[in-house]
Amino acid sequence: AQKITQTQPGMFVQEKEAVTLDCTYDTSDQSYGLFWYKQPSSGEMIFLIYQGSYDEQNATEGRYSLNFQKARKSANLVISASQLGDSAMYFCAMRLNQAGTALIFGKGTTLSVSS
Amino acid sequence: ETGVTQTPRHLVMGMTNKKSLKCEQHLGHNAMYWYKQSAKKPLELMFVYSLEERVENNSVPSRFSPECPNSSHLFLHLHTLQPEDSALYLCASSQEEGGSYNEQFFGPGTRLTVL
Repeated sequence: AQKITQTQPGMFVQEKEAVTLDCTYDTSDQSYGLFWYKQPSSGEMIFLIYQGSYDEQNATEGRYSLNFQKARKSANLVISASQLGDSAMYFCAMRLNQAGTALIFGKGTTLSVSS
Repeated sequence: ETGVTQTPRHLVMGMTNKKSLKCEQHLGHNAMYWYKQSAKKPLELMFVYSLEERVENNSVPSRFSPECPNSSHLFLHLHTLQPEDSALYLCASSQEEGGSYNEQFFGPGTRLTVL
């Protein structure tokens, strides 16, 4: 069975600083995808970044980068130059490379950015 | 309308009521999902529809009944719910193409309160 673990219930960072949100995963499959989503207080889930299990380079999307360490089964999200609008809940998720399979989510990390 | 829409956004119902949640995706996707998000718990997958056929049902109680009349619409019919069913219900869609990794796009959710 697949599992996602996010060990940080809450993180605090000041504006313009970088922050790393931890995510480890467990699967015996070799082909899978890892995702990070942001959930503001409004409730909608916003896709941030994706990393495929066979991708050799770490994914980057603007201020977001994914530190993918396959041997350690970790997929940490790095947010550079934090902004007040980054305050939200962040979820790490995984899905197998099979059509119709859904995402398996971690419990999330609440990020608070202060000025 | 763009993206994934959900109605209603908020719903309060008694345990004996019957209500339905509606989800509509305007992205031309071929898979749709229902997730449940309770306080302090990871998102839980409830149902997956791929090409309008249900492909996964995660042991959801029968008081939740999904319906997918076409690839753009997904319903969740509710009857005789319990107070512990109070949660945020999120709908998502994705384009499934031979197992390629496509992110799921989420709607804003319906916040359900069962009295």
